[in-house]
Amino acid sequence: QVQLVQSGAELKKPGASVKVSCKTSGYNFTDYFLHWVRQAPGDGLQWMGWINPNAGGPYYAQKFRGRVTMTRDTSITTAYMEMSTLTSDDTAVYYCARAAVARWVQYTNYDYWGQGTLVTVSP
Amino acid sequence: DIQMTQSPATLSASLGDRVTIACRASQSIPGWVAWYQQQPGKAPKLLIYQASILQSGVPSRFSGSGSGTQFTLIISGLQPDDVATYYCLQYNTYWTFGQGTKVEIK
Repeated sequence: QVQLVQSGAELKKPGASVKVSCKTSGYNFTDYFLHWVRQAPGDGLQWMGWINPNAGGPYYAQKFRGRVTMTRDTSITTAYMEMSTLTSDDTAVYYCARAAVARWVQYTNYDYWGQGTLVTVSP
Repeated sequence: DIQMTQSPATLSASLGDRVTIACRASQSIPGWVAWYQQQPGKAPKLLIYQASILQSGVPSRFSGSGSGTQFTLIISGLQPDDVATYYCLQYNTYWTFGQGTKVEIK
């Protein structure tokens, strides 16, 4: 069955960077775009961007451009989201989510989600 | 950017009640709306996509409707397991979630 398993919780200081992983299984990794969504307290769910596991090209939401890098390693069917220059506003649960339609990014919702990774930014 | 305005923010209903949650888009998004259920401490779960298509394995008491700018999620017969926060998502232009509706049992 399809599974997305994320790395564990992180505690970071302001100004630091964090890298979250999303290990996938149960489907052909290169067939489905992977998105990252964050959920900050009081801020709802916010789309951050996506990565094309086949070609490797990412696309970032404007709010996160310049501070977020999305990559993938096809040999271990894992996607990564790295965020730099963290502030307390980045304290949130970060999710990876699979696009519901194979080899397509437009007009696709998410059908499978990782369990989430809590990133806490505190001095 | 397309904004999704969801209402109400909180809803308290009795078991067996019919529950209605609304989402209004800031511009027309022909059918590219999904609904998710999020239970405390868990990831969102897909209920409905393309405004009205029930995801496989989701109970038939959940239904969705709408087009243009007005979309609705209905729970026909509220069950204890339905206590959760529900979110709409537009995926017409990028991806934007509503602010969520917390459903409680009265």
